[in-house]
Amino acid sequence: EVQLVQSGRGLVKPGGSLRLSCAASGFTFSTYRMNWVRQAPGKGLEWVSSISSSSTYIYYADSVKGRFTISRDNAKNSLYLQMNSLRAEDTAVYYCAAGFLDWLIEYWGQGTLVTVSS
Amino acid sequence: QSVLTQPPSVSGAPGQRVTISCTGSSSNIGAGYDVHWYQQVPGTAPKLLIYGNSNRPSGVPDRFSGSKSGTSASLAITGLQAEDEADYYCQSFDSSLRGSVFGGGTKLTVL
Repeated sequence: EVQLVQSGRGLVKPGGSLRLSCAASGFTFSTYRMNWVRQAPGKGLEWVSSISSSSTYIYYADSVKGRFTISRDNAKNSLYLQMNSLRAEDTAVYYCAAGFLDWLIEYWGQGTLVTVSS
Repeated sequence: QSVLTQPPSVSGAPGQRVTISCTGSSSNIGAGYDVHWYQQVPGTAPKLLIYGNSNRPSGVPDRFSGSKSGTSASLAITGLQAEDEADYYCQSFDSSLRGSVFGGGTKLTVL
């Protein structure tokens, strides 16, 4: 059974930092592109970042470029998102997501709520 | 404003057919990039519904179908059922933005 188990939810003050983690199982993690997708309260899905299977190619949405860093550890079947300089508009449920074919998302994590508020 | 444009809402009675459009541009759908569709029941994670424009993953009923033409794509749902009530999102890649893009989402109401 495919599982993407996320951790790291929290309440953070504006300007603060938070690291999200995602532990994968049930598929060959090292061959999948991994993504972070977020959803602000009552809003639609927004792609945040993507990392290729071997970490060679990394992409960010303009809204987070320079503030967020995606990384992965294939030996630990884990994906990370380091979020710095957080803003109120970063408040959202963050989903860890996996896809084999380019840009397709086949598997989704359960989501983790990040709230940025003073 | 989403790069891919979807109607905010559609509705239909049980048993009817509805379609959801997804309009892009020459840097995404029109450039030949595949369109994928996801279903999201509020409060839960999205679920892959259609991949590669028109392919259904295992377990997705054949009541759901996808198509693509030019700079647009469509999701069709036939034989509407109450359980189809959810939000639907299209997704593709945009070469100008160099990243994935989602439509704004369409809320399907089964009357």
